[in-house]
Amino acid sequence: EDKVVQSPLSLVVHEGDTVTLNCSYEVTNFRSLLWYKQEKKAPTFLFMLTSSGIEKKSGRLSSILDKKELSSILNITATQTGDSAIYLCAVVGGGYQKVTFGIGTKLQVIP
Amino acid sequence: EAQVTQNPRYLITVTGKKLTVTCSQNMNHEYMSWYRQDPGLGLRQIYYSMNVEVTDKGDVPEGYKVSRKEKRNFPLILESPSPNQTSLYFCASSPRNRETQYFGPGTRLLVL
Repeated sequence: EDKVVQSPLSLVVHEGDTVTLNCSYEVTNFRSLLWYKQEKKAPTFLFMLTSSGIEKKSGRLSSILDKKELSSILNITATQTGDSAIYLCAVVGGGYQKVTFGIGTKLQVIP
Repeated sequence: EAQVTQNPRYLITVTGKKLTVTCSQNMNHEYMSWYRQDPGLGLRQIYYSMNVEVTDKGDVPEGYKVSRKEKRNFPLILESPSPNQTSLYFCASSPRNRETQYFGPGTRLLVL
């Protein structure tokens, strides 16, 4: 059974801090790993990482895929209160595009 | 505007009364999927569809049905809802690469 584990489950930081969120996975026929941000609504896409694209960056957010360790990290530098959200990691695998999500990391950024 | 729409957004119903949650996308995406989100369990895939008339089970398909008669629509059917199907439901779609999913706004369902 495919499995995605995220850590920590929850963290609280001050504005300006840097945070690292972790995602590890066990999946058959890995295709890609995705990161989403979920505020009080639907998840919004952040990054997709594959064997051919193991590092992505967008502004203060960056992500790296470690295929050897079957894991990924999401870094957020100079955090802002607007970064407060649940961050979801998902892995696409299997022969038919099955998607497995982790339960998420809840980040709270306080002023 | 490119979007995924779901209806209704909120629904309260009683055990056993059949219901359908509609999902529609205007991006000509091939891949569509339904998820439910529960506290402590995260998002779990119910069913997905790779194209018209092609559907397959996700992790939690019991108690649900889907159909994909047209590319843009992917309704979720609960033939006989039960209280354990109380949840937040999301529909999602993605283009040919199938992996960058766009989510609908969610449907919050309460089954009494």
